[in-house]
Amino acid sequence: ILNVEQSPQSLHVQEGDSTNFTCSFPSSNFYALHWYRWETAKSPEALFVMTLNGDEKKKGRISATLNTKEGYSYLYIKGSQPEDSATYLCAFCFGGFKTIFGAGTRLFVKA
Amino acid sequence: GAVVSQHPSRVICKSGTSVKIECRSLDFQATTMFWYRQFPKQSLMLMATSNEGSKATYEQGVEKDKFLINHASLTLSTLTVTSAHPEDSSFYICSAPDRGGFDTEAFFGQGTRLTVV
Repeated sequence: ILNVEQSPQSLHVQEGDSTNFTCSFPSSNFYALHWYRWETAKSPEALFVMTLNGDEKKKGRISATLNTKEGYSYLYIKGSQPEDSATYLCAFCFGGFKTIFGAGTRLFVKA
Repeated sequence: GAVVSQHPSRVICKSGTSVKIECRSLDFQATTMFWYRQFPKQSLMLMATSNEGSKATYEQGVEKDKFLINHASLTLSTLTVTSAHPEDSSFYICSAPDRGGFDTEAFFGQGTRLTVV
């Protein structure tokens, strides 16, 4: 059974702290890894689509890395702000055009 | 960016009735639409994949006669939960990949919270 694990499940940080989460996925049959930011009562918003081993992507204070050989991706947030509070989802896309989502990491940033 | 509009956002219905959920792509053509379901504290689980003009592909364990999917145009896909039961109460959400590929971002609807009483 293919599984995508995200850790931690939830995280409470202070404004200004930097933080990171992990997405672990199967290392075979890899096609793409997606990161989404999901605020309550809104649609999940795509952050990154990563396809190559060693990929590093950045959008403002948020960045992500990808290791397809060992099956993990890290999402980093530098200098967290209250507006970063959301659930961060990763999705593993693999052969046969299938996608498996992780359960998400719920981030709370306190001002 | 591209927008997928999903309605209704919340619905309460009586057991035995049917509920239709719509997802519209507002500024792009969604040749493919994915339908997901999420139970409390669980991951989004793919229910089915619909392609414009053809029959939907259902994931294992998802009853196609219970969850009717129609994708009659490039901008509209619908999911109808037929003869709903309390165990169908869940969060349903659609998404459409940009340009149809998994190496591009997907756009999600806002989700529908279904409660069957």
